[in-house]
Amino acid sequence: GAGVSQSPSNKVTEKGKDVELRCDPISGHTALYWYRQSLGQGLEFLIYFQGNSAPDKSGLPSDRFSAERTGGSVSTLTIQRTQQEDSAVYLCASSLGPRKQYFGPGTRLTVT
Amino acid sequence: KQEVTQIPAALSVPEGENLVLNCSFTDSAIYNLQWFRQDPGKGLTSLLLIQSSQREQTSGRLNASLDKSSGRSTLYIAASQPGDSATYLCAVGENSGNTPLVFGKGTRLSVIA
Repeated sequence: GAGVSQSPSNKVTEKGKDVELRCDPISGHTALYWYRQSLGQGLEFLIYFQGNSAPDKSGLPSDRFSAERTGGSVSTLTIQRTQQEDSAVYLCASSLGPRKQYFGPGTRLTVT
Repeated sequence: KQEVTQIPAALSVPEGENLVLNCSFTDSAIYNLQWFRQDPGKGLTSLLLIQSSQREQTSGRLNASLDKSSGRSTLYIAASQPGDSATYLCAVGENSGNTPLVFGKGTRLSVIA
């Protein structure tokens, strides 16, 4: 079946603009995760959705970052008033409960 | 706070050599541990998942071991090939497993033909 998909694959934006990144998880997966991978850094957790529970937002670096998951499926990560330090690869993953996480190809965000 | 460390940060070996990548974690109360492969500009591909009750998992030329009490895991690659060149990431899952993974910074492997 189809894996996790993300769009766009690349996004270049000007400092101060808002951006939306999309993630389509594997059908039926109840958990969805957003991570960020900055140059020279490891992957850092941003936000996590599990079923109908309130999301775990503990990894969001500032209040400019938000995410939602509609209908328990597609998720959108929004970054408002982008800054140069937001430049990174944003990775989405999904899983069926406490099992292996499957990652999408990522969105490479460049803030100029 | 869980911290995951991978050593070495980079490794270059000739084709055909067997090699070991190391991963250590500070809190042994893990639920599982996953090894991933990441090719340049690509997402992550899961290689092996070891549950906390397991000692090792094997897939083809790959073998991952877990020593939970000492906070260590190794990824053994047999008969390395140039196609194995990639960054290998170790990640631990905590609590019930329904939590975000904590990643190491990876080992960048180059296999020279």
